[in-house]
Amino acid sequence: LAKTTQPISMDSYEGQEVNITCSHNNIATNDYITWYQQFPSQGPRFIIQGYKTKVTNEVASLFIPADRKSSTLSLPRVSLSDTAVYYCLVGTSNTGKLIFGQGTTLQVKP
Amino acid sequence: KAGVTQTPRYLIKTRGQQVTLSCSPISGHRSVSWYQQTPGQGLQFLFEYFSETQRNKGNFPGRFSGRQFSNSRSEMNVSTLELGDSALYLCASSLAWGQGVGSEQYFGPGTRLTVT
Repeated sequence: LAKTTQPISMDSYEGQEVNITCSHNNIATNDYITWYQQFPSQGPRFIIQGYKTKVTNEVASLFIPADRKSSTLSLPRVSLSDTAVYYCLVGTSNTGKLIFGQGTTLQVKP
Repeated sequence: KAGVTQTPRYLIKTRGQQVTLSCSPISGHRSVSWYQQTPGQGLQFLFEYFSETQRNKGNFPGRFSGRQFSNSRSEMNVSTLELGDSALYLCASSLAWGQGVGSEQYFGPGTRLTVT
């Protein structure tokens, strides 16, 4: 099973770019990497998903190096409302052994 | 389009009792997954259902079970409750099962279960 490791917490200021890295050394060939955002008292919300290289959508980018042993979620120009916990999820499409990281608490300051 | 709904939102049970939680997925979504979230263990995968069949299962004891109905609604049951079962139970739905294209999950608000 792919065990994931993320920083416990990060601080940033409004307008800055934030990069959160997730380590998953034992990622399997079929595993995808997905990031979720969670606010207090709410369920996680999908941000972005990728398999390799770079994926970008309207809210974030996901960078995955060739060896796929880590991934970096990039949030451009964060605002106070981006203060939340961010989870990295590594899963296997066949076995469904979905492993969430412990989450990174991002605190955005004015 | 309505989101994922979970009932009840809050529940208090006594050790040894059993509990059933309900989840209604987003219309058109056929995959439903369940997760347990606690401060100590974080988010842990329980199981996933697709077309009324359990496709995947996490590392939880047999006291945790689930099922999915033909309308994709799902229920999760925990028997012989233990104090350690106190947690937020989250349900998520998606178009496809497993991971990959179409598998992005949409989570409900969760059911907060307290076992005394």
